[in-house]
Amino acid sequence: GAGVSQSPSNKVTEKGKDVELRCDPISGHTALYWYRQRLGQGLEFLIYFQGNSAPDKSGLPSDRFSAERTGESVSTLTIQRTQQEDSAVYLCASSLGTTAGANEQYFGPGTRLTVT
Amino acid sequence: LAKTTQPISMDSYEGQEVNITCSHNNIATNDYITWYQQFPSQGPRFIIQGYKTKVTNEVASLFIPADRKSSTLSLPRVSLSDTAVYYCLVGEQFVNRDDKIIFGKGTRLHILP
Repeated sequence: GAGVSQSPSNKVTEKGKDVELRCDPISGHTALYWYRQRLGQGLEFLIYFQGNSAPDKSGLPSDRFSAERTGESVSTLTIQRTQQEDSAVYLCASSLGTTAGANEQYFGPGTRLTVT
Repeated sequence: LAKTTQPISMDSYEGQEVNITCSHNNIATNDYITWYQQFPSQGPRFIIQGYKTKVTNEVASLFIPADRKSSTLSLPRVSLSDTAVYYCLVGEQFVNRDDKIIFGKGTRLHILP
């Protein structure tokens, strides 16, 4: 079946502009995660959605970052007034649930964001 | 989330068995151990998950000693295509909302011909 998809695959933007990154999770997956990965670094957790619960936004690095999810489907990560340090690959993942045995995360291909 | 420590990098040769050990001294009773693999320009991919003793699937084996303070991912007869970054994660993800998924820098495995 279809995996997690993300769009755009690449985004180049000027400093100060806003960007929107989209994630389509696997159908039926209740949990959705956003991560940021800078070049040569590990993954940095940003935000997590689980069903209809309030999202865990504790990983968002600043108030310029926000994310929404429509029900248990599409999610959008928005970065306002982009800065050069926002340049990274933004990865989205989804999982059936969050408990052991159901928390295998399936990752999308990522969106490579470059802020010039 | 229990902190994990892995080697930064490892080299091995095709056909060899590779063992990558992860230390997690502060693992909690409810914590599971999960390993992911990441190829360049791709998102991580789940490899294996376990709680204790040994787990084996078609890709790898996971060895967990009785004290669970470490775990070893074993890749049998590696090939060049196993060159990737391998991440060890410990925790029952997001049961405690103070926990975060922390992948860390992982272990860069380089397979040589």
